[in-house]
Amino acid sequence: GIQVEQSPPDLILQEGANSTLRCNFSDSVNNLQWFHQNPWGQLINLFYIPSGTKQNGRLSATTVATERYSLLYISSSQTTDSGVYFCAVRNAGNNRKLIWGLGTSLAVNP
Amino acid sequence: NAGVTQTPKFQVLKTGQSMTLQCAQDMNHEYMSWYRQDPGMGLRLIHYSVGAGITDQGEVPNGYNVSRSTTEDFPLRLLSAAPSQTSVYFCASSPTSTGGGYTFGSGTRLTVV
Repeated sequence: GIQVEQSPPDLILQEGANSTLRCNFSDSVNNLQWFHQNPWGQLINLFYIPSGTKQNGRLSATTVATERYSLLYISSSQTTDSGVYFCAVRNAGNNRKLIWGLGTSLAVNP
Repeated sequence: NAGVTQTPKFQVLKTGQSMTLQCAQDMNHEYMSWYRQDPGMGLRLIHYSVGAGITDQGEVPNGYNVSRSTTEDFPLRLLSAAPSQTSVYFCASSPTSTGGGYTFGSGTRLTVV
């Protein structure tokens, strides 16, 4: 089945710094999503982005489906950005289940 | 608009007890699913539904039952709780089975002793 790899696994930033999180996948996808799980465990959908680029405030994401990767950019990080960022994809050939990466754990220090 | 509502938020069960985790969404989403999240193992799909009356198994269905009698509700039943089912359970929904972003409930932290 499709494999999803996220990097880096862990990241520590100083408040105000920028960062890029990467998600690589091994097969064609028709659905790709980025999620943030905050320290209290809540899962928030950041982007639904099977292709192209989207921006929402300080966050933006780009998916290059033909090269099988997606990037999540966090600019001017804040302590509230801390948590785990997950990438999840749905294989174009199996379109009923999301396959999840193991996440990038981000800590933003004041 | 409440989104996805899960109850209860916390539960402690004794081994062998049964219980139902409730999930309701008010967005008229076709697709609903249940995940469990364990440390170091990410999110694993238990069961999912692509519409009322239709359910299917995910990666880890053993010990769990689901039903989807209405579009809004998708309860998860633990038949005979085991310590291995100690986990955090999340319900999620999306507009269709093929597209759209997922909305998650706030989770249920279950401990089986």
